[in-house]
Amino acid sequence: QVQLKESGPGLVQPSQTLSLTCTVSGFSLTSYSVHWVRQHSGKSLEWMGRMWSDGDTSYNSEFTSRLSISRDTSKSQVFLKMNSLQTEDTGTYYCARSYISTYYYLMDAWGQGASVTVSS
Amino acid sequence: DIQMTQSPSSMSVSLGDRVTITCRASQDIGNHLSWYQQKPENSPKLMIFGTTNLEAGVPSRFSGSRSGSDHSLTINSLESEDTGIYFCLQHKQYPWTFGGGTKLELK
Repeated sequence: QVQLKESGPGLVQPSQTLSLTCTVSGFSLTSYSVHWVRQHSGKSLEWMGRMWSDGDTSYNSEFTSRLSISRDTSKSQVFLKMNSLQTEDTGTYYCARSYISTYYYLMDAWGQGASVTVSS
Repeated sequence: DIQMTQSPSSMSVSLGDRVTITCRASQDIGNHLSWYQQKPENSPKLMIFGTTNLEAGVPSRFSGSRSGSDHSLTINSLESEDTGIYFCLQHKQYPWTFGGGTKLELK
């Protein structure tokens, strides 16, 4: 069955780098895109970026200068790295799978989320 | 960026009610919109994609529609399990953008 699971440190110091891993199972990274989405304290969601099935990436310009998404297909993992963290980056980080059905995108499977607190 | 203005931000509803949540797009997004339900301490769950298409396994009391730039999610005859926060998401143009969310609570 399709699963995604985020992992990473729960606490990051200000100005440091956040590194998260999304480990997927039940599908291939070479067939589906994986996205990263952030949520602040149960409030609205923010799309951060995408790893395409062909290895290309797309980013939200709000994060472009400090965000990097990569992958290791042999390990079925997608990585998020974001530097210069500030307290405003505190939140829950989700990875989610997407594909196209009848011409339209959908994100049909989500990880359980990784809670990240930026604090000294 | 395309702004998605979602309304209302919260609703207090009764079992059996017909509920409509709306997202207005700041630019034309066609039918490139999906709806998600989020329960406390859980990740979002896909409900509708392509504005009107029901995801497999989602009850038929849920439906999606569009009138111009207004995209709506309707729940016919609300059940207790339908409470939570609902978000719309446009994927017509990068960056993909979400609506601010609608919190559905029982009276």
